[in-house]
Amino acid sequence: GAGVSQSPSNKVTEKGKDVELRCDPISGHTALYWYRQSLGQGLEFLIYFQGNSAPDKSGLPSDRFSAERTGGSVSTLTIQRTQQEDSAVYLCASSFSGGEIYEQYFGPGTRLTVT
Amino acid sequence: AQSVTQLDSQVPVFEEAPVELRCNYSSSVSVYLFWYVQYPNQGLQLLLKYLSGSTLVKGINGFEAEFNKSQTSFHLRKPSVHISDTAEYFCAVPSGTYKYIFGTGTRLKVLA
Repeated sequence: GAGVSQSPSNKVTEKGKDVELRCDPISGHTALYWYRQSLGQGLEFLIYFQGNSAPDKSGLPSDRFSAERTGGSVSTLTIQRTQQEDSAVYLCASSFSGGEIYEQYFGPGTRLTVT
Repeated sequence: AQSVTQLDSQVPVFEEAPVELRCNYSSSVSVYLFWYVQYPNQGLQLLLKYLSGSTLVKGINGFEAEFNKSQTSFHLRKPSVHISDTAEYFCAVPSGTYKYIFGTGTRLKVLA
């Protein structure tokens, strides 16, 4: 079946602009995660959705970052007033449920470059 | 709090040679451990996982890892690597009931 998809694959934006990153999880997966991958930093957890609700937003770096999920499916990560330090690869993952033993399936990521 | 440490940021190895990628963890609770691989311009893919039982875990593409509780390690090994194994490898441990803590990754470069 189809895996996790993300769009766009690459995004170049000017400092100060808003961007929206989209994630389509695997059908039937109730849990959805956003991570940020910066050079040399590994993967940084941003936010976790169980269905449409986000019980854990603790990883969002600032109030410029927000995310929503609708219909228990598609999720959008929005970054307002982008800064150069926001440049990174943003990865989305999904799993059958929010459980520590459940494998997370990752999308290919969106590479964001803020100029 | 759970954490993982991958001390080697880059590991070059010749084709058909063995390789070991090191991962050490810190956890005060039951330990589940994972290795993920990221090929260039792709997302992460699960290589193998340890949940319980046998401490030697076999994964895809000929990789295996051994859970060593006394040394708090979960090193990844392959007896003979191929060019196609060139990728970045991440060790991960769950934190709480859903969040994963990832290591900083080890970039494996297989040389011809």
